[in-house]
Amino acid sequence: DAGITQSPRHKVTETGTPVTLRCHQTENHRYMYWYRQDPGHGLRLIHYSYGVKDTDKGEVSDGYSVSRSKTEDFLLTLESATSSQTSVYFCAISDVRGSGGYTFGSGTRLTVV
Amino acid sequence: DQQVKQNSPSLSVQEGRISILNCDYTNSMFDYFLWYKKYPAEGPTFLISISSIKDKNEDGRFTVFLNKSAKHLSLHIVPSQPGDSAVYFCAATATSGTYKYIFGTGTRLKVLA
Repeated sequence: DAGITQSPRHKVTETGTPVTLRCHQTENHRYMYWYRQDPGHGLRLIHYSYGVKDTDKGEVSDGYSVSRSKTEDFLLTLESATSSQTSVYFCAISDVRGSGGYTFGSGTRLTVV
Repeated sequence: DQQVKQNSPSLSVQEGRISILNCDYTNSMFDYFLWYKKYPAEGPTFLISISSIKDKNEDGRFTVFLNKSAKHLSLHIVPSQPGDSAVYFCAATATSGTYKYIFGTGTRLKVLA
């Protein structure tokens, strides 16, 4: 979607390696989120940010860290990737606290082998 | 503990007929609800929302109904079109809290031409 881009779109990595996914927005929205989508689980919140350097944990934050040094960028890092982190990762943004919903990026498909 | 449940993983409907997608929630603090639509290889897109002060909200072919006493909401699509074939997620949040959305597991709708 225009205004929010995720990179890379696809990545294959080996178990134990670090991985960083990037979410970039041009909407100047305050709130940014990282979700993962898995069959049978829907979308689950990993971490979210409510401003530069302000982040908090979601439902499934173990094994993940995030950073937000600029309004436009929200990075998700897997310090040591595991096969259970094979998933599709979505970034989302919102201008107010979720009212009216989020705008999602197109997703990053991550495979950990 | 699934706070938002979509018990039908899939649904098939004939073109022109009504599609009804259901969602149940357990947390009585939830007071704002969304429906998202997701096509393959794309991010979810916001479809329609409803606040707990209402029991119905309409937007064109899409109507969401909320039954607070039953903790149940449903999305009606009338008439259904082949382009409506997608995965639909419901999401809920408590606006008095952190405003994080909890998503259901999704229902795959197939509209048959």
